[in-house]
Amino acid sequence: EDKVVQSPLSLVVHEGDTVTLNCSYEVTNFRSLLWYKQEKKAPTFLFMLTSSGIEKKSGRLSSILDKKELFSILNITATQTGDSAVYLCAVGPREYGNKLVFGAGTILRVKS
Amino acid sequence: GAGVSQSPRYKVAKRGQDVALRCDPISGHVSLFWYQQALGQGPEFLTYFQNEAQLDKSGLPSDRFFAERPEGSVSTLKIQRTQQEDSAVYLCASSLKGLAFTDTQYFGPGTRLTVL
Repeated sequence: EDKVVQSPLSLVVHEGDTVTLNCSYEVTNFRSLLWYKQEKKAPTFLFMLTSSGIEKKSGRLSSILDKKELFSILNITATQTGDSAVYLCAVGPREYGNKLVFGAGTILRVKS
Repeated sequence: GAGVSQSPRYKVAKRGQDVALRCDPISGHVSLFWYQQALGQGPEFLTYFQNEAQLDKSGLPSDRFFAERPEGSVSTLKIQRTQQEDSAVYLCASSLKGLAFTDTQYFGPGTRLTVL
């Protein structure tokens, strides 16, 4: 059965800290891994990763995928209170329909 | 529209009632997905449409759940004879391309269903 595990489950940091969120997965015929940020509304897309070792970067956020060890990390540098959210990791199996299998998420709280 | 929209945003139903949840995907998006998100959990896949065709309904938890997308744009998720365990946020997502492509899914704000 396809599975995505995120760690830690929750995290509290102070503004300016750097955080690393982890995502490990087991999936049949991997296609892609996606990160989303979810506040009290729609999950918003952050990154899609398909190749190992290529870092994707957007401002203070970056992510990388290791397809050999079956994990990804999401880094946030110089955290701000607006980064407080649930961060969801999802894997797209290479199978019919391209559905996503999600982890339970990491709850990040950034204190001022 | 600019993004995926869903209505209603909140729905309270008495146990046994039927409900209908609507999703308006991004204009021109071929693929449409429904997910169910329980409190404190990640979304779980329910069903997938490519245009008007429902190609995967493996995640629907029971035959009380039914989805349609008759004209390949707006979709409706219907739950008959609601039960308390149906209480969750129902998320709709769309993506530009069909199932043969690796593509980003864009999510709507969800409908929070509470069954009393």
